[in-house]
Amino acid sequence: GQQVMQIPQYQHVQEGEDFTTYCNSSTTLSNIQWYKQRPGGHPVFLIQLVKSGEVKKQKRLTFQFGEAKKNSSLHITATQTTDVGTYFCAGMGGTSYGKLTFGQGTILTVHP
Amino acid sequence: DGGITQSPKYLFRKEGQNVTLSCEQNLNHDAMYWYRQDPGQGLRLIYYSQIVNDFQKGDIAEGYSVSREKKESFPLTVTSAQKNPTAFYLCASVPGRRSTEAFFGQGTRLTVV
Repeated sequence: GQQVMQIPQYQHVQEGEDFTTYCNSSTTLSNIQWYKQRPGGHPVFLIQLVKSGEVKKQKRLTFQFGEAKKNSSLHITATQTTDVGTYFCAGMGGTSYGKLTFGQGTILTVHP
Repeated sequence: DGGITQSPKYLFRKEGQNVTLSCEQNLNHDAMYWYRQDPGQGLRLIYYSQIVNDFQKGDIAEGYSVSREKKESFPLTVTSAQKNPTAFYLCASVPGRRSTEAFFGQGTRLTVV
């Protein structure tokens, strides 16, 4: 079945450093989504990528979708304490239509 | 306000008892999902439904059951067959085929005592 793997599981950075989390799927995806979950909260949608090789930016966040539509990355430039939380990728596609599978998430800690 | 509502926020259950978690949405979304979240394991899919009166097993469906009798509602029953039910349960809805952005409820934290 479809599996979505995400690394690293944890990342500790000093404020101002960059951060990247990577996502890999066992199957080709129709799209990849990224979510952020603040401590004690629920996941909140950040962005969706659909096209092969697509790159999107939201201020300090850069999202990429691989050429084969099986991997993706989220890069944060110059982290801030407000970036703290867990970042999840989620993929939809493969043989099970409508199945939205999440990665394990990357827990980001930012030290001031 | 439009949104997705889960209740209760906290739930305590004795071993051997079934319990039902509520999930209601007034967003007119077609698809609904149930996830379980445990520390270090991300979100694992329990069941999902693309349309009323139809649903599919996710990756960890054993010990759980669902129904989708109305578009707005997708309750999850945690049965006594679930070996380790203590977890944070999240319900999500997705608009449909044209948009797959998931909207999450606030979650229900279930503790077996």
